[in-house]
Amino acid sequence: DAMVIQNPRYQVTQFGKPVTLSCSQTLNHNVMYWYQQKSSQAPKLLFHYYDKDFNNEADTPDNFQSRRPNTSFCFLDIRSPGLGDAAMYLCATSSLGGWGETQYFGPGTRLLVL
Amino acid sequence: GQNIDQPTEMTATEGAIVQINCTYQTSGFNGLFWYQQHAGEAPTFLSYNVLDGLEEKGRFSSFLSRSKGYSYLLLKELQMKDSASYLCAVRDQGGYQKVTFGIGTKLQVIP
Repeated sequence: DAMVIQNPRYQVTQFGKPVTLSCSQTLNHNVMYWYQQKSSQAPKLLFHYYDKDFNNEADTPDNFQSRRPNTSFCFLDIRSPGLGDAAMYLCATSSLGGWGETQYFGPGTRLLVL
Repeated sequence: GQNIDQPTEMTATEGAIVQINCTYQTSGFNGLFWYQQHAGEAPTFLSYNVLDGLEEKGRFSSFLSRSKGYSYLLLKELQMKDSASYLCAVRDQGGYQKVTFGIGTKLQVIP
């Protein structure tokens, strides 16, 4: 049973061409996160939502935006992708109050910028 | 902020036991996670420690010492499928559960 779903799994875009990655969840979790992970590096938190409350990390480039229209869906918009934005993008969810408040990750979207 | 250190690579033999260490320096602490990540896949949850001591779950155990800023993940009876990266992650004390990940330890299990 898929719990955190990311589409597409692979995305190819052109330098400077806007791209949107999507994430959906069936867990009804309050919190949704977007991470960027480059090869052999730690996942880096870009931003997260607590319900509709948006929290941007201080070092997240302005090129990255996010939308959460409802509990189930969250989108990552990259307005003008650069070559350095090629990475795996991971969506995760968690629920406040649960044991360990574990983050559940989706399978990720691997972005290639040409 | 958080600073998390773990070895970048380890090699161990199938059937053996391996211990992966993690040290952290934090401005606040509210739990430590271990995740397993196979190449090209998303991290999957292994364990969570918020109090000192050992948590055992099948072949995997995790230990925490808050006073020392230290944790380890112990894998017993290693299997080839355990070849993966193991990420140590620390959660902040306040705010919106921000979790900071270490770079991960790439474990190779050899026959």
